[in-house]
Amino acid sequence: DADVTQTPRNRITKTGKRIMLECSQTKGHDRMYWYRQDPGLGLRLIYYSFDVKDINKGEISDGYSVSRQAQAKFSLSLESAIPNQTALYFCATSKQGRGNQPQHFGDGTRLSIL
Amino acid sequence: RKEVEQDPGPFNVPEGATVAFNCTYSNSASQSFFWYRQDCRKEPKLLMSVYSSGNEDGRFTAQLNRASQYISLLIRDSKLSDSATYLCVVNVAGANNLFFGTGTRLTVIP
Repeated sequence: DADVTQTPRNRITKTGKRIMLECSQTKGHDRMYWYRQDPGLGLRLIYYSFDVKDINKGEISDGYSVSRQAQAKFSLSLESAIPNQTALYFCATSKQGRGNQPQHFGDGTRLSIL
Repeated sequence: RKEVEQDPGPFNVPEGATVAFNCTYSNSASQSFFWYRQDCRKEPKLLMSVYSSGNEDGRFTAQLNRASQYISLLIRDSKLSDSATYLCVVNVAGANNLFFGTGTRLTVIP
């Protein structure tokens, strides 16, 4: 779904490096999310944002930070990467609305920390 | 206790078979329910929302049982292209996000 674009698609880096994952969307959605997916653990929420400059911690925010400077962009940073942050990372968006609206995902970023 | 629990499978069924997955959720006040499909190494994609009265979309039928706190997905006349992992997704009342199950893997065999 090209409406939600993640960059890079793949990244291999070393322990201790700072990494930024970018997400941009053309769906016009207010809400954006970052998840990581690990085998056997499913999708876990890292951070989410309901509007520009609105930042909320998810289930596993330690070791991560995010920035929402524009409606269409939501970036995820690993300040000092460690090997257990190796995972598949997904950005998602949703509309604002009654109840929880379904989320639409980007293609994912496969991150490996050596 | 996990918010959402699914049988991980795998379910291996022949083409044309009917297969059903269940998913249980822990919060009785949950209000929004979805089934997503995820192909290997790809992003999850919305398959269908689940409504209180149950709903159908072609070969797919979703049911909600609030009393027992589970949702189900029935796939009729399975196709090879149905092979994927199916994720059960539930909100938690008062929370601003969705909870994803770990998925049930389906393989449809020729």
